[in-house]
Amino acid sequence: LAKTTQPISMDSYEGQEVNITCSHNNIATNDYITWYQQFPSQGPRFIIQGYKTKVTNEVASLFIPADRKSSTLSLPRVSLSDTAVYYCLVGARTKIIFGSGTRLSIRP
Amino acid sequence: GAVVSQHPSWVICKSGTSVKIECRSLDFQATTMFWYRQFPKQSLMLMATSNEGSKATYEQGVEKDKFLINHASLTLSTLTVTSAHPEDSSFYICSAMTSGGYNEQFFGPGTRLTVL
Repeated sequence: LAKTTQPISMDSYEGQEVNITCSHNNIATNDYITWYQQFPSQGPRFIIQGYKTKVTNEVASLFIPADRKSSTLSLPRVSLSDTAVYYCLVGARTKIIFGSGTRLSIRP
Repeated sequence: GAVVSQHPSWVICKSGTSVKIECRSLDFQATTMFWYRQFPKQSLMLMATSNEGSKATYEQGVEKDKFLINHASLTLSTLTVTSAHPEDSSFYICSAMTSGGYNEQFFGPGTRLTVL
């Protein structure tokens, strides 16, 4: 399973766009990149998943460069309720190993 | 999306007793379920992988005789913490994987275990 590296914490303000980058230098050919969000005392919630280029859904965008050694989760116009821990995961859609995650704090 | 439930959502027990936690996939069949443990301010740690009708596969360092996992049906897996001690106090989370083409994992809401 590919190891991931992401910032331990980030701060931003309401209404801003937040980009969280994750490094995964040893990603395998059949690995997908998945991002989860977790609030305190809750289970992780799926945000977005991609393999290459760009994926967009109603809550976020995921940018993956051609070499796939990194990925960036983009949250448009964050609100206070986006304060959470965000996990970047790389794998072949079976066993998930969680890294340390990024603790995102949104301020008014 | 698919829904996974856990019961109970929190439990307090005395040291030395056993506690059973249930994980159910409510609207889909899950051939594989996973159990995680999470301590405060830390990431989720995978404990074991549970496949319906077979023995669970435990991660290194997880005592299989202490954390008993049963996956008797396609919608239910149970984790029993036997002879619980205060150091077993943690947040336990299960996830269930669909058997469809995408093999997505859906997580339960977690169970807070406090051992006195």
